[in-house]
Amino acid sequence: AQSVSQHNHHVILSEAASLELGCNYSYGGTVNLFWYVQYPGQHLQLLLKYFSGDPLVKGIKGFEAEFIKSKFSFNLRKPSVQWSDTAEYFCAVNEAGTGANNLFFGTGTRLTVIP
Amino acid sequence: NAGVMQNPRHLVRRRGQEARLRCSPMKGHSHVYWYRQLPEEGLKFMVYLQKENIIDESGMPKERFSAEFPKEGPSILRIQQVVRGDSAAYFCASSRESGLFYEQYFGPGTRLTVT
Repeated sequence: AQSVSQHNHHVILSEAASLELGCNYSYGGTVNLFWYVQYPGQHLQLLLKYFSGDPLVKGIKGFEAEFIKSKFSFNLRKPSVQWSDTAEYFCAVNEAGTGANNLFFGTGTRLTVIP
Repeated sequence: NAGVMQNPRHLVRRRGQEARLRCSPMKGHSHVYWYRQLPEEGLKFMVYLQKENIIDESGMPKERFSAEFPKEGPSILRIQQVVRGDSAAYFCASSRESGLFYEQYFGPGTRLTVT
């Protein structure tokens, strides 16, 4: 079965520090890849997505992610975090090759940004 | 544009009672997905529905759980004879179409507590 791994459970950074959150998946076929963010008390919102094309994807709020097929990875990055980025971040994978529509989620990474 | 609506936001049930969770998709969306998030875990896919059809229920527990998406009205996730292990956050998502993968928009979730 598909598995999605987010190795960092809780990350604490100071404002202006750079961020990289890891995401690895197991499915060997064609994938669609997503990062969702959940701010405290709010619902999941899409940060960015990759379907095909340029493996470097830019999302909202200065986030970007890079798809490295050979490493089965889709890491999320931001060069300079802000206090308002404090949230939980979820990586999600769709097995595009199977035609299925459901998403497989990682367990999430909680980011705390200290002012 | 109203987003995905879920109600109730919080639901408390005693063991053995029934829980009904409702989801109204975004306007123009005809596909609904239910996910469950157990404490300290990522979201797990449960079921995917279109109007009046269950497309994929591979993530649904075999007993006590059912889902519907009638021609009129919201999608309903029903849990009969709830047990403590059903305590979780239940998220609904909707998308415009399937085939070519369309991104899923998530509701705020229903937090079910079984006492």
